[in-house]
Amino acid sequence: EVQLVESGGGLVQPGGSLRLSCAASGFTFKNYNMKWVRQAPGKGLEWVSHISWNSATTYYADSVRGRFAVSRDNSKNSLFLQMTGLRAEDTAVYYCAKDSGLGGTLDYWGQGAPVTVSS
Amino acid sequence: QSVLTQEASVSGTVGQKVTLSCTGNRNNVGKYAVGWYQQISHGAPKTVFFGDSLPSGIPDRFSGSKSGTTASLTISALQPEDEGDYYCSTWDAGLNVAAFGGGTKLTVL
Repeated sequence: EVQLVESGGGLVQPGGSLRLSCAASGFTFKNYNMKWVRQAPGKGLEWVSHISWNSATTYYADSVRGRFAVSRDNSKNSLFLQMTGLRAEDTAVYYCAKDSGLGGTLDYWGQGAPVTVSS
Repeated sequence: QSVLTQEASVSGTVGQKVTLSCTGNRNNVGKYAVGWYQQISHGAPKTVFFGDSLPSGIPDRFSGSKSGTTASLTISALQPEDEGDYYCSTWDAGLNVAAFGGGTKLTVL
């Protein structure tokens, strides 16, 4: 059974940093691209970042580029999102999601990690 | 403004066939497979269809299709538990982003 379990969310002050982790199991993690997707309170899903299976390629939404960094450790079946320069508008639930291999579509999602940016 | 366009709301009665649409352009929907995600009561999203595949455990009343730059999710016989928000997404080769639709709120009357 595929499982994605996020951790590291919490309350942080504006300008602060936070590192999210996603522990993957139930599939061959090193073979799949992964994504982070977030959802602000009362809003829709918003893609945040993409990382290829071998970490060679990363992409970011304009709203986080230069502040967030995605990485992975295939030896530990783990995905990470380092968030710096956090703003109030980054407040959201952050989901890690597994690429299906078909056009960037996602077939499995984690339960989400809430991040609140507030003083 | 979302890259992909979805209806804001759709409603139907139990047993009715409903279709949700997702419109993009030749750089996204027209080029790549589309995924459909169900979110109930703002819980974690669940994939109900991607490309031409029905995920394990998803009822076969869910199906997806695509014509040109518009993708569709059809629920053949609507059930009360299908009520929720539905999002579509695909890759956009022109923008190098994962494009999402704004979501459709599906109400079962």
